[in-house]
Amino acid sequence: NAGVTQTPKFQVLKTGQSMTLQCAQDMNHNSMYWYRQDPGMGLRLIYYSASEGTTDKGEVPNGYNVSRLNKREFSLRLESAAPSQTSVYFCASYRTRGLNQPQHFGDGTRLSIL
Amino acid sequence: SQQGEEDPQALSIQEGENATMNCSYKTSINNLQWYRQNSGRGLVHLILIRSNEREKHSGRLRVTLDTSKKSSSLLITASRAADTASYFCATDGNTGTASKLTFGTGTRLQVTL
Repeated sequence: NAGVTQTPKFQVLKTGQSMTLQCAQDMNHNSMYWYRQDPGMGLRLIYYSASEGTTDKGEVPNGYNVSRLNKREFSLRLESAAPSQTSVYFCASYRTRGLNQPQHFGDGTRLSIL
Repeated sequence: SQQGEEDPQALSIQEGENATMNCSYKTSINNLQWYRQNSGRGLVHLILIRSNEREKHSGRLRVTLDTSKKSSSLLITASRAADTASYFCATDGNTGTASKLTFGTGTRLQVTL
């Protein structure tokens, strides 16, 4: 079982460049999420998609856009990367049916912006 | 902003000892979850406790929840070197069909031989 797959695993960008982080899940989950994790901190929600065709802002959406391409895939785009966006980005999915279930996480994309 | 705080920020124990970490949160919740993160990896779900539960066990893990104090604790008994990781609590307060987690700042656990 692949679970949640994120690509790429590592990326270095220059300030002002654009980039799309990809996420795919094979568990037929309805909801998908993008988080960022900065050193010494927990995860903060950037955007989420409760179901195919919907997206909503999380706690730290500025500087990011998302696309729920289909039920399996949820991408995160940085249009003009800034050094403050250097972070580890995690994608997660959630089944939706029934409350009180965990989210499932990918292994992360480590992004450095110079 | 982070939902709450975890303490201690770091904990170092010897193999075989118990490890206790605490989590406090600020708003009402549906459930509280604990996740483990090994260095360079994603988060792995450990245990979920519902707002109407006070204690839950899973193997060597014991979680308590006190909603009146808005706090939870995670106890790992008979720790092993493989338990070395960061541990995060996360609260889910969303009433819709999608989970919305808010994470604490984490406890870094080091278990030495």
